[in-house]
Amino acid sequence: DAKTTQPTSMDCAEGRAANLPCNHSTISGNEYVYWYRQIHSQGPQYIIHGLKNNETNEMASLIITEDRKSSTLILPHATLRDTAVYYCIVRGADGLTFGKGTHLIIQP
Amino acid sequence: NAGVTQTPKFRILKIGQSMTLQCTQDMNHNYMYWYRQDPGMGLKLIYYSVGAGITDKGEVPNGYNVSRSTTEDFPLRLELAAPSQTSVYFCASRPPGTGVNIQYFGAGTRLSVL
Repeated sequence: DAKTTQPTSMDCAEGRAANLPCNHSTISGNEYVYWYRQIHSQGPQYIIHGLKNNETNEMASLIITEDRKSSTLILPHATLRDTAVYYCIVRGADGLTFGKGTHLIIQP
Repeated sequence: NAGVTQTPKFRILKIGQSMTLQCTQDMNHNYMYWYRQDPGMGLKLIYYSVGAGITDKGEVPNGYNVSRSTTEDFPLRLELAAPSQTSVYFCASRPPGTGVNIQYFGAGTRLSVL
């Protein structure tokens, strides 16, 4: 499995865009990048995934660099409810390998 | 649509006791998973199943057993509870298909072994 590196924590002001980086320099050609988040005392929640192209859904946007060695999750207008641990995962099949993720704190 | 349902939400066990953590999903998903999450850590895979009658070990299977007699249910059994099994346990499921691994998680079972 490709390893991922994320900052331990980040702050963002409410209403601003939150940009969460992830490095995955050993990613292989057929591995997707997945983003999940875990709000305190809840189960993880799927946010978005991508292979090569940038992706957008109702929750977030995912920007993947051309060499696929890093990506950025963008929450366009962060709210207090977006405070959570965000996990960047690269895994092709079976179970997901969760690291420690980034603790995103949205400040009022 | 209930999704993935886990019971109980909380449980305290004494060392050496046994219990079964229940997980059921109503999305007709083939794949089901059990993870544990220790404080401040990410999730670790215990067991998974690709369909009824088929189970396989994950990263940390010791001390646990599973069965998959139906598509809907995937119970996790602890036979002789130990303090090291104090954790939050999450069940997840995903639809069939290769390549994309989008999993849907339950709310978790918080277990303390004292």
